[in-house]
Amino acid sequence: KQEVTQIPAALSVPEGENLVLNCSFTDSAIYNLQWFRQDPGKGLTSLLLIQSSQREQTSGRLNASLDKSSGRSTLYIAASQPGDSATYLCAVKAAGNKLTFGGGTRVLVKP
Amino acid sequence: DAGVIQSPRHEVTEMGQEVTLRCKPISGHDYLFWYRQTMMRGLELLIYFNNNVPIDDSGMPEDRFSAKMPNASFSTLKIQPSEPRDSAVYFCASSSADDRSEAFFGQGTRLTVV
Repeated sequence: KQEVTQIPAALSVPEGENLVLNCSFTDSAIYNLQWFRQDPGKGLTSLLLIQSSQREQTSGRLNASLDKSSGRSTLYIAASQPGDSATYLCAVKAAGNKLTFGGGTRVLVKP
Repeated sequence: DAGVIQSPRHEVTEMGQEVTLRCKPISGHDYLFWYRQTMMRGLELLIYFNNNVPIDDSGMPEDRFSAKMPNASFSTLKIQPSEPRDSAVYFCASSSADDRSEAFFGQGTRLTVV
């Protein structure tokens, strides 16, 4: 059974510092990995999608890497801003098109 | 496309009442998923459909929960009778049949059972 873990569960950084969020998964037989952002009381917004054949994806200040063999992905957010405060979730897609989610990392960027 | 649409956004009901949550997936998507999010357990997959057929309902917590997808553009998740421990945010998501495709989520329904 696929298990997805995100460490740390919470992170607080001063504005301008780079953020590093970690995601690990136990079964490397995945199709892709998706990073989401969730604001309090809101739905999930997709940030980046990395296919299993890719090593990284970039969108603006966001960069996500994937090492499928070791079961790890890292989301980097450069030059963090208070508006980046949210919960970040990773999810892996495997057989049956099912997404398995990690517990999320709650990020606070202090001005 | 307007994305995945869920209704209602908020639902408050009394214990024992029937609750029906609704979802309209993105047009053309073959897969529809129902998730539940709680502080204690995070996001859990309850059930998913492929081409309107339930594929895996192993995440449905009890017989009180049931889900249907009568056509490609509509699905319901029903709880009967509801209990306070069912209080959570319920999300619907859809994706295309392509293994590489992205999943899109609705805004969720916040259910409170008192």
